[in-house]
Amino acid sequence: AQKITQTQPGMFVQEKEAVTLDCTYDTSDPSYGLFWYKQPSSGEMIFLIYQGSYDQQNATEGRYSLNFQKARKSANLVISASQLGDSAMYFCAMSRFTGGFKTIFGAGTRLFVKA
Amino acid sequence: GAGVSQSPSNKVTEKGKDVELRCDPISGHTALYWYRQSLGQGLEFLIYFQGNSAPDKSGLPSDRFSAERTGGSVSTLTIQRTQQEDSAVYLCASSSGLAGVETQYFGPGTRLLVL
Repeated sequence: AQKITQTQPGMFVQEKEAVTLDCTYDTSDPSYGLFWYKQPSSGEMIFLIYQGSYDQQNATEGRYSLNFQKARKSANLVISASQLGDSAMYFCAMSRFTGGFKTIFGAGTRLFVKA
Repeated sequence: GAGVSQSPSNKVTEKGKDVELRCDPISGHTALYWYRQSLGQGLEFLIYFQGNSAPDKSGLPSDRFSAERTGGSVSTLTIQRTQQEDSAVYLCASSSGLAGVETQYFGPGTRLLVL
């Protein structure tokens, strides 16, 4: 069975510093995709970054990068130069490659950025 | 439209009543997902539609929950004989349906409160 684990219920980071949000996953599928979404207090879900299981390079999108360690089954999100607007819930998610159904989400990590 | 829209944005109902939640996906997107997010929790997959294929209903929590998608576009999630534990935010997402694993674009959600 597929499973996503986010072990950090809450994280604090100083503005302008980098922060790593942990995500580990479990799947027997050889092909899968990993996602990170941000959910501000307004409730909308905002796509941040995607990593395919066969991608050789770690995904990057602006200040977001995904530290993908396939052997360890981890897909940590790194946010560089944190901003106050980064304060939000962050969800790690996984979908099978052979059909985007039943995406599994982790429980989330709430990030607080301090001024 | 420019994004996924959902209506109503908020719904308060009495226990035992039926409710209908609507989702209008991004134009041209053939894949549509429904999720439920209880207070302070991650997302729980409910149902997935892809084109004309039979939907994946494996996440529906009980037979009180049903969903349909008319004309491959708008979807309606129906909850019959609502219970207090149905209170949650119901999120809809769509994706292009062209690839196996895709970014899902989320609507703003419907906040359901069952009294």
